[in-house]
This record gives sequence, C-alpha cells and structure tokens, in this order.
Amino acid sequence: DSGVTQTPKHLITATGQRVTLRCSPRSGDLSVYWYQQSLDQGLQFLIQYYNGEERAKGNILERFSAQQFPDLHSELNLSSLELGDSALYFCASSPKLAVYNEQFFGPGTRLTVL
Amino acid sequence: GENVEQHPSTLSVQEGDSAVIKCTYSDSASNYFPWYKQELGKRPQLIIDIRSNVGEKKDQRIAVTLNKTAKHFSLHITETQPEDSAVYFCAAKAVDYGQNFVFGPGTRLSVLP
Repeated sequence: DSGVTQTPKHLITATGQRVTLRCSPRSGDLSVYWYQQSLDQGLQFLIQYYNGEERAKGNILERFSAQQFPDLHSELNLSSLELGDSALYFCASSPKLAVYNEQFFGPGTRLTVL
Repeated sequence: GENVEQHPSTLSVQEGDSAVIKCTYSDSASNYFPWYKQELGKRPQLIIDIRSNVGEKKDQRIAVTLNKTAKHFSLHITETQPEDSAVYFCAAKAVDYGQNFVFGPGTRLSVLP
C-alpha cells in the first residue's frame, strides 16, 4: 500500500456523461500527478498540482480538468465522455516539487465508457 | 519536449536467465531515470532509479546503467524468477520544476518456469 488512495475503484458510465475521480495523496505529500493508461498502453501524464496550484500540464484534453483542494486531495473531472476515454486513471503523489522525489502511485480508477 | 523509447516491447526468458530492457531519451536536460514495475491490474511501483551523475546502480538482482553521452539507460535483471513477470516502464525527468516524468511505452516481461 503506497498510502495514496483513489476513489472510486471502478466507474461505468455512458458517452456524453461527466465523472469525477478523487485522489488523496500520502500524508505530507504536496504534489499530485494524474496519469491516463489506456489498455496495454504506457502512462500518459495529464497534469500536476503542487500545494493547490497547477504546476505542469501534459496531454490533457480540454474536456478534462483538475484541481487540488486546501486539504491537498485532488479531483480529476472528465466531461463529454467518449468511448476512447475508457482507461485506468492513476494519481501519484510526491513530497515536494520534483528534484529526485519518487512518485507513489495510487491503485487507480478504472473508467469504462459505454 | 522529451521522448522516451523502450525496447523490446515484449521479452520472454527462462527462469534463472538474465533480462535486459533498454530505453533512450531525447532531452539532454533529463537527469533522473526511474524504472517502474507494474503487475497486471496493479499500480506502478518504483524498483530502481538512477541520477545522471551516476553510471550504474545495483540493488540485489536489479541494476540500471546510464550512458549520458548516448542518451540511453538500461535495466538488468539477473537470475529471473516467475514473480519478475510484469510490465516494466522506464521514465525520464529533467529536474526542472516545469518538467515531469515522461514514460516509455513499457516492456512486458514473461519469465518461463
């Protein structure tokens, strides 16, 4: 157990819908990262937050947005869902901004769009 | 931006043999290179990492080598065991607050008993 929690574990929804994925980082970690992993694919970086502020953006679609709250948990919002959005979404946290900090991954949320 | 390539995409070895996975990166500013192991349906877990000021690092049966000039780094697993079967991802990161990890596409390692 990495100490990073993600809810829900599984999510099944229909095209056009909107969902929210939640992540709680390890205690004391200020940085949160979101990744998308499609079937048999690598990890695609979506976005990073540090202490409530957006720090870096990857290949995140305009239909997707995220935020980090004062208690440091983060939410990833996916709207106007398409079949291709079906994937495993991982959140990771690390103690500080970058340098050589390891990222600790949560268990992931499996999103299925029907 | 950074681009990380990884080879091979699949690798099968006999139990007890060695396995080698290679990655190349494009951004000479990258200076931190972690390797993650992901078992089926599980989260990625860091198994070893190397910084750019080091050429090699070992941890029991696992080692990583880095060639900064050629911009490639490799994972070596010796005396493979069935529990080493998983997908392995390499990643590269520039230690710059605006940069983030770029992952390779992964190598599916199968250790045959």
